[in-house]
Amino acid sequence: AQTVTQSQPEMSVQEAETVTLSCTYDTSESDYYLFWYKQPPSRQMILVIRQEAYKQQNATENRFSVNFQKAAKSFSLKISDSQLGDAAMYFCAYRSARNNNDMRFGAGTRLTVKP
Amino acid sequence: EPEVTQTPSHQVTQMGQEVILRCVPISNHLYFYWYRQILGQKVEFLVSFYNNEISEKSEIFDDQFSVERPDGSNFTLKIRSTKLEDSAMYFCASVGTSGANVLTFGAGSRLTVL
Repeated sequence: AQTVTQSQPEMSVQEAETVTLSCTYDTSESDYYLFWYKQPPSRQMILVIRQEAYKQQNATENRFSVNFQKAAKSFSLKISDSQLGDAAMYFCAYRSARNNNDMRFGAGTRLTVKP
Repeated sequence: EPEVTQTPSHQVTQMGQEVILRCVPISNHLYFYWYRQILGQKVEFLVSFYNNEISEKSEIFDDQFSVERPDGSNFTLKIRSTKLEDSAMYFCASVGTSGANVLTFGAGSRLTVL
């Protein structure tokens, strides 16, 4: 079974600084998708960024970028120029390309942004 | 931008009562899901639904749970006899057949069982 591990239960960053959230996963598949979701205090799940495993280029979305290391099964999220509104729980997720039902979440990292 | 709509946003119920959580997925999406998040814990898969039937369910989704799509737009999760441990946030999600397999989540329904 695929598992997703987020080894940092909590992280903090100073406003305007950069922070990296770690995620590793375990899979025997070669084709899959990886996601980072943000969950603010409202508890809604908001997609931050996604990466297709067949793409070598790291995905970027404005201040958010990933470091996707397929061989190491690592998928970290970098938030640049952190803003107060970035404070939230961040969940890493894995989804099989073969099985639409198979989406697994990590335990989450709570990010605090200090003014 | 299309969104997944969930009602109610919060429901408080007595143990043993039946609860129905409702979801309106994005209109052209074909795959529907329910996830659960107990406070402070990870998001857990409950069930997926495609072509008007359950395609997969987790071990959490026991006989107390059921899903249906009664009218082609709503997608409901029913808990027949709620237990204290059913207290959680329940998220509905949907995905279409195009794009990057991105699940769009609703805002969630908070269920509190007393």
